[in-house]
Order: sequence, then C-alpha cells, then structure tokens
Amino acid sequence: DAKTTQPNSMESNEEEPVHLPCNHSTISGTDYIHWYRQLPSQGPEYVIHGLTSNVNNRMASLAIAEDRKSSTLILHRATLRDAAVYYCILRDVNYGGSQGNLIFGKGTKLSVKP
Amino acid sequence: DTEVTQTPKHLVMGMTNKKSLKCEQHMGHRAMYWYKQKAKKPPELMFVYSYEKLSINESVPSRFSPECPNSSLLNLHLHALQPEDSALYLCASSRSGLPLQPQHFGDGTRLSIL
Repeated sequence: DAKTTQPNSMESNEEEPVHLPCNHSTISGTDYIHWYRQLPSQGPEYVIHGLTSNVNNRMASLAIAEDRKSSTLILHRATLRDAAVYYCILRDVNYGGSQGNLIFGKGTKLSVKP
Repeated sequence: DTEVTQTPKHLVMGMTNKKSLKCEQHMGHRAMYWYKQKAKKPPELMFVYSYEKLSINESVPSRFSPECPNSSLLNLHLHALQPEDSALYLCASSRSGLPLQPQHFGDGTRLSIL
C-alpha cells in the first residue's frame, strides 16, 4: 500500500467544521482512499472511502483532489464525540486478489474544544 | 455498541500461563482479523482469516496461535508470552475480505503480561 502523510494533531471548536488533510503523492490508479477513526478506549471505526469523486455519508464528506495526490476529510459540525485519531489509508483493489490489508499510519489526533 | 464482541476486555497473565482471547460476530462476515496495538501507536495486522482459512500471517511469533472454529468465531491462543506482548488486541471482520469492504472492529482486549 502507498504511504500517506497526515498532521500529527489538530484542534477544532465544537459545532464548527473540521478539515482533516491527507497527502498521498505516490497514489496509484487502483488505490482507494479510506478513512477510519479511533475514539479513546475503542477500536477503529470506518468513516468513508472514495476513488476520484467527492463522497458524502452520514458521518462525513471526503473531498479528493483532481490529481488524487491529496484528500480532505470534512466533518461538517464537530462534536465532542468526534475527538479521536483519524487515519487516512490507501487500499489497492488489486492487492492479493481477495485480501487488502489495512495499513494504519500514525493518523491525526483531533481535539474538540467546547 | 460494537457488532464485534471481544472477551475478555482485560487480561493479566504471567509469562508461563496459557490463555485465549475470543472474538465473535453475527453479521455473516466471512473475513476476520487480529490486530495488535501498542500504547500510542497505530494498530498492526497480525492474522487474516478468509472463509475460516488462515490467509495471512504477518510474521507473528508462534507463541500467538490463531484459530477460526466457524465463520462467527475467532480465537487467539496465547502461550509463553513476553512482557513486550502487553498491548491492546483488536479483532475485526468484513464481509469477504475484499479491499473495498469496510472492516468492523471490536473494542479490544487489553493484555498485560507480568
């Protein structure tokens, strides 16, 4: 899996939007961009994934640059419950035929202030 | 509430003990995973089971022995562990192991080796 680069930490205020960046300059054409988050004392949780187009779901939005070398996870209104480590992970759909490992990087620790 | 259940939540054992960690899911998923997470580090993949067969072993020492008795259950048998094996052990499942499918994680077993 190709590597990703994320800031170590970010801060936001409650009820404000949060933009979490991820750089992946060596992304291949078959790499999907996945985001997971890990709340304190919990296992990781799937957030969203995409290939080229921007994606929305009930948790977040994913904005993908036109050249696909970077992406941004957008939380539209941060709550205290969104304080977590956010991981940006590339997964190659061609990896191993039927297995595609999740390779976690260091992630971004998001703090949310009331 | 997580749909992947791990027991026990905490385990303290001596280096000569034998114990087992248990993971259960009833979502009909056919791929299951064990990860190890040291404090303040990202999760690292240990084993992957696909359709009850071990498909990936990430060079894990033989003192860790996985077992998948059926499609809903995944065990990790522990024997003669070292203090450096103290960590959070996470179980996850996905529908079939294809890279696009999200993985669902349990909240882990926190293991301490005396």
